[in-house]
Amino acid sequence: DSGVTQTPKHLITATGQRVTLRCSPRSGDLSVYWYQQSLDQGLQFLIQYYNGEERAKGNILERFSAQQFPDLHSELNLSSLELGDSALYFCASSVAGSGRNGELFFGEGSRLTVL
Amino acid sequence: ILNVEQSPQSLHVQEGDSTNFTCSFPSSNFYALHWYRWETAKSPEALFVMTLNGDEKKKGRISATLNTKEGYSYLYIKGSQPEDSATYLCAPNNAGNMLTFGGGTRLMVKP
Repeated sequence: DSGVTQTPKHLITATGQRVTLRCSPRSGDLSVYWYQQSLDQGLQFLIQYYNGEERAKGNILERFSAQQFPDLHSELNLSSLELGDSALYFCASSVAGSGRNGELFFGEGSRLTVL
Repeated sequence: ILNVEQSPQSLHVQEGDSTNFTCSFPSSNFYALHWYRWETAKSPEALFVMTLNGDEKKKGRISATLNTKEGYSYLYIKGSQPEDSATYLCAPNNAGNMLTFGGGTRLMVKP
């Protein structure tokens, strides 16, 4: 158990809908990262927050948004869903703000299926 | 977006064999290199975080080396066991804030 909690574990929805994925980092970790793993793709970095502020942005679509709340949990909002958004979405946390030295601890992922 | 290459993409070995894989990454603006082990149906777990050129890290039968000047890292597994079967991911941090994961090397160890 990494200490990172993601909900829901599985989600099935229809195209055009909107979903929210939730992540609670390990106790004491200030940084939260979101990654997407699509079929036959590696882990694609979406976005990072550190202590409530956006720190780095990767290949995150405009239809997607995220935030980190004062209690440090984070939410990833996916809207106007398309079939291609079906993927495993991982949240990870670290103590350090940049991942430079601190390892990332991954949650179990949220598997999104868009029908 | 960094170009991170891992080779081979997959590897089948017999129990007891020793093996190694490669991670290549841009050497400019290097901050750190992470290795993760990802078992099927689980989430990635950190093996090593390496920061200095010439770094060597070891955890049991698994070790890693780092060359930041030429932009590569090797992961070695000595005496592979079936429980070593997993995908091994490397992720350099060349921009201070972002880890870019390679596609991974999928290792399968046959008993």
